[in-house]
Amino acid sequence: AQSVTQPDIHITVSEGASLELRCNYSYGATPYLFWYVQSPGQGLQLLLKYFSGDTLVQGIKGFEAEFKRSQSSFNLRKPSVHWSDAAEYFCAVGGSGNTGKLIFGQGTTLQVKP
Amino acid sequence: GAVVSQHPSRVICKSGTSVKIECRSLDFQATTMFWYRQFPKQSLMLMATSNEGSKATYEQGVEKDKFLINHASLTLSTLTVTSAHPEDSSFYICSASKASGGPDTQYFGPGTRLTVL
Repeated sequence: AQSVTQPDIHITVSEGASLELRCNYSYGATPYLFWYVQSPGQGLQLLLKYFSGDTLVQGIKGFEAEFKRSQSSFNLRKPSVHWSDAAEYFCAVGGSGNTGKLIFGQGTTLQVKP
Repeated sequence: GAVVSQHPSRVICKSGTSVKIECRSLDFQATTMFWYRQFPKQSLMLMATSNEGSKATYEQGVEKDKFLINHASLTLSTLTVTSAHPEDSSFYICSASKASGGPDTQYFGPGTRLTVL
């Protein structure tokens, strides 16, 4: 079955500290992977995506993610977190040959301590 | 580029009435649009996929007669919640994609908060 798992429901980090949000997926075909961020009461903003090529992808706001096929993972990282990064983060997977639908993880809430 | 708007941003209605939510792609043509529902502190649940000029494809368990979707043009899709009830209160989010199936990026609208009294 196709699924996305974000093991951490809630993460708290201090401002300036590094961040890693985990994402594991189960997908039968070549996955296309996304990270989105959602501020309270808002829609989703695309942080980055992986379709093919270099497995380390750079996104907006200083985020990056690494696709590891052997581990079925697509973890999101940021070297130094800012207070404005506090939000809900969603990992999603889609693929070719389907209708373009995305499967979302449960989300990870990031809290940033001053 | 790739901006998606939704209108209204929030709506309060009485039980039994119908509510229409619009989703527009402002600077690109959206071959495919998606409608999601999100409950508090939860992930997005896909309700339906709509392609311009054809009937929407609904996910299992979503009542197509209750949630009417129309994708009349390449920049506009509407979701009408018919005979709304308090349990329909939720955050509804649309997204738009330039491609018709296959790998592409979905761009999301800001969402519409529906409250049914």
